[in-house]
Order: sequence, then C-alpha cells, then structure tokens
Amino acid sequence: GNSVTQMEGPVTLSEEAFLTINCTYTATGYPSLFWYVQYPGEGLQLLLKATKADDKGSNKGFEATYRKETTSFHLEKGSVQVSDSAVYFCALSGGGYSTLTFGKGTMLLVSP
Amino acid sequence: KAGVTQTPRYLIKTRGQQVTLSCSPISGHRSVSWYQQTPGQGLQFLFEYFSETQRNKGNFPGRFSGRQFSNSRSEMNVSTLELGDSALYLCASSRDRDVAFFGQGTRLTVV
Repeated sequence: GNSVTQMEGPVTLSEEAFLTINCTYTATGYPSLFWYVQYPGEGLQLLLKATKADDKGSNKGFEATYRKETTSFHLEKGSVQVSDSAVYFCALSGGGYSTLTFGKGTMLLVSP
Repeated sequence: KAGVTQTPRYLIKTRGQQVTLSCSPISGHRSVSWYQQTPGQGLQFLFEYFSETQRNKGNFPGRFSGRQFSNSRSEMNVSTLELGDSALYLCASSRDRDVAFFGQGTRLTVV
C-alpha cells in the first residue's frame, strides 16, 4: 500500500536559516504529491503540490521537487521566518486526489 | 468564497454515547472526505463521499459512519464512543479528483 515517511521533529531554526524537511514515499503507479501546513488550533492548508515526475511545486518561498528516481519530495525554504512555525505534512494521493496518505508531520520552530 | 465549515468546533462526550459531526463543503465541491488526527496515529483517512455515495473507505470499525446530502453537505457519526475516539476530525472538500481543501476540524473529547 501507499506510505509516506518524513523526518522526525521538532526542527528548530533561527530566523533566516535554510530549511529542509525530508519526505520519501512508497506508492504504486504515479501518485500526486503534496505539502500541507497546520498552524496551532487550525486545519490543514495546502502549501504546494506536484503531479508528475520532475515537477517543482512552489508557494510563499517554499519549494519541493517530485523526484521519482529517489521517491522523494523534500520541502525547502531559503530563509525561514518566525511565522513559518507550524507542523508540515507530506502527503500523496494515487488514483485521484480525494484520498490522501499522510506522513506523521514535522514540527518546525523558528526563533527570532 | 467561503471555505470548508465544520461544526461544532469542540465537543465533549461520555463513553458509550454517540456523536454527529457536520461538514459544509466549498460551494461547487461534490467530494467530501473525512480524516481522524491523533498524536499517536497521525492523520488517517476515514471515508470519502461523492454525489451522496461512499466512494472510498479507510480501515475503521463500523461504529464510524457517514453520509452526504444532495447539497453535498456531509455528516459523520460515531456510535458507542470509546476513549480512543478522542481526536481532531477533519473534513476536506474538493471538486472531483482535485486538490483537497480542509476545514478547521472538530475537536472531540471522550471522557
């Protein structure tokens, strides 16, 4: 079956540091890949997506590239802000976006 | 454009009771999915409804059920509540096979 593995947190960074959150997946066929973000007390917000190999999703300074050869979709940001502090979830869907398989989530804490 | 609305936001129930949660999708979205989020198990898929039909189902006991109405609004029901059912229940809506948009969730506490 489908599965997503992402790095354990929390990830603690100072403002303006470079961020990488690793995500690898196992899936049959050609899944679509997503990063969602969850702020305290809130639901999930779509951060970015990629639907095929070598696609790069980007939004608000965050980027991730769909790497089929390494089955990875690592999230990066060049300079984090305190407001980026949240939990980040990597997810995939196969055969339609309606059913998502999520990783366990990675908490990011950014200090001034 | 209004987002996905879940009601209520918070619920406290006693073991053995039943509970109904409601989800109003984004206008024009006909697919509604439900997820359970707990610290131990993370985010787990419960079921998906499309045009009033259950299209997909996760690995949850029969105590968890749902339905969708003709206006795409959805409800999920949990009967005979157990302490382990305490969780954040998230609803997501989408156009058919498109990106999912999530509501803020219903926090259920079973005591």
